[in-house]
Amino acid sequence: DSGVTQTPKHLITATGQRVTLRCSPRSGDLSVYWYQQSLDQGLQFLIQYYNGEERAKGNILERFSAQQFPDLHSELNLSSLELGDSALYFCASSPGVAGGLDEQFFGPGTRLTVL
Amino acid sequence: AQSVTQPDIHITVSEGASLELRCNYSYGATPYLFWYVQSPGQGLQLLLKYFSGDTLVQGIKGFEAEFKRSQSSFNLRKPSVHWSDAAEYFCAVGRLSNDYKLSFGAGTTVTVRA
Repeated sequence: DSGVTQTPKHLITATGQRVTLRCSPRSGDLSVYWYQQSLDQGLQFLIQYYNGEERAKGNILERFSAQQFPDLHSELNLSSLELGDSALYFCASSPGVAGGLDEQFFGPGTRLTVL
Repeated sequence: AQSVTQPDIHITVSEGASLELRCNYSYGATPYLFWYVQSPGQGLQLLLKYFSGDTLVQGIKGFEAEFKRSQSSFNLRKPSVHWSDAAEYFCAVGRLSNDYKLSFGAGTTVTVRA
């Protein structure tokens, strides 16, 4: 158990809908990262937050957005869902010391199925 | 831009045999390298990491990896594989900056036969 929790574990929805994925980082970790794992794209970095502020963006679509709240949990919002958004979405956290060397601890993931 | 190549998509190994998974990276500066393992239906677990220093790194579950700058490689090894090592293995490269994102390879699936 990494200490990172993600809810829900599974999500099934229809095209055009909007969903919210939630992540609670390890106690004390300031950085949260979101990754998407799909069969065709592999593991792709989406976005990073550090202590409530966006720190880095990867291959994140404009239909997707995220935020990190004062209690450091994070939410990934996916809207206007398409079939191709079906994937496993991972959250990871790290202590996030600026300039430090962090290892990332991954949650169990949320499996999103868009029908 | 950083990138990682794992040349082997799938490897089958007998229980008790040795295992080596290949990883090649492309990065302009000193890389920070990781190996993660993903068991079916699970998240990713860090096996080991290389930041600096000794180029032979020991990890959990009996794994080790060797950083070879001249070959841009960071291959993962285990002397004797157990059935529980069947999983998907990912090599990743990160960079030291304020955005510590990881770039992952495509992964190598390891099957262990009895």
